[in-house]
Amino acid sequence: EVQLVESGGGLVQPGRSMKLSCAASGFTFSSFPMAWVRQAPTKGLEWVATISTSGGSTYYRDSVKGRFTISRDNAKSTLYLQMNSLRSEDTATYYCTRERGFDYWGQGVMVTVSS
Amino acid sequence: DVVLTQTPPTLSATIGQSVSISCRSSQSLLHSNGNTYLNWLLQRPGQPPQLLIYLVSRLESGVPNRFSGSGSGTDFTLKISGVEAEDLGVYYCVQSTHAPTFGSGTKLEIK
Repeated sequence: EVQLVESGGGLVQPGRSMKLSCAASGFTFSSFPMAWVRQAPTKGLEWVATISTSGGSTYYRDSVKGRFTISRDNAKSTLYLQMNSLRSEDTATYYCTRERGFDYWGQGVMVTVSS
Repeated sequence: DVVLTQTPPTLSATIGQSVSISCRSSQSLLHSNGNTYLNWLLQRPGQPPQLLIYLVSRLESGVPNRFSGSGSGTDFTLKISGVEAEDLGVYYCVQSTHAPTFGSGTKLEIK
């Protein structure tokens, strides 16, 4: 059974950093590009970043470029999102998902940016 | 960025009624490899999204066949033939032919 389990969320002050993790199991993690998608409270879904299977290629939405870094450890079957210089508009539930079709999603982790 | 315009924003249906949701793209979603990367997701209340349809019209494993997808280029439709109570939630189209973008969602309510 495919499982994606996010962790690392919580309350953080504006300008500070936070790192999210997503532990994958039930499939060959290294064979799938992965993505982070977020959803602000009561809002729709918004793609954040994608990483290729090897980690050699990464892609970001404009509003997080230079602040967020997506990475992966294929040996640990784990996806990461390092978020720096956080802003109130980054407040959202963050989901990790398999970017090939968006076919499996984690339960999500809430990130609240507030003083 | 590719903009996906979903209509209607809300739908109210009775059990057994058939409904359709439209998703129109600001650019063609036909990839140079011949595939069209347009999927449909359902997000039930308090749950993460789940995949219903991929590559425009292919039914994800385990999804009831009352769901169907159609379209090409910039114009796509999700149809539910005989709504059931468990179908309530928000439906999103998503494209990944270009940098991924999601539609704004269609909320399905059961009368």
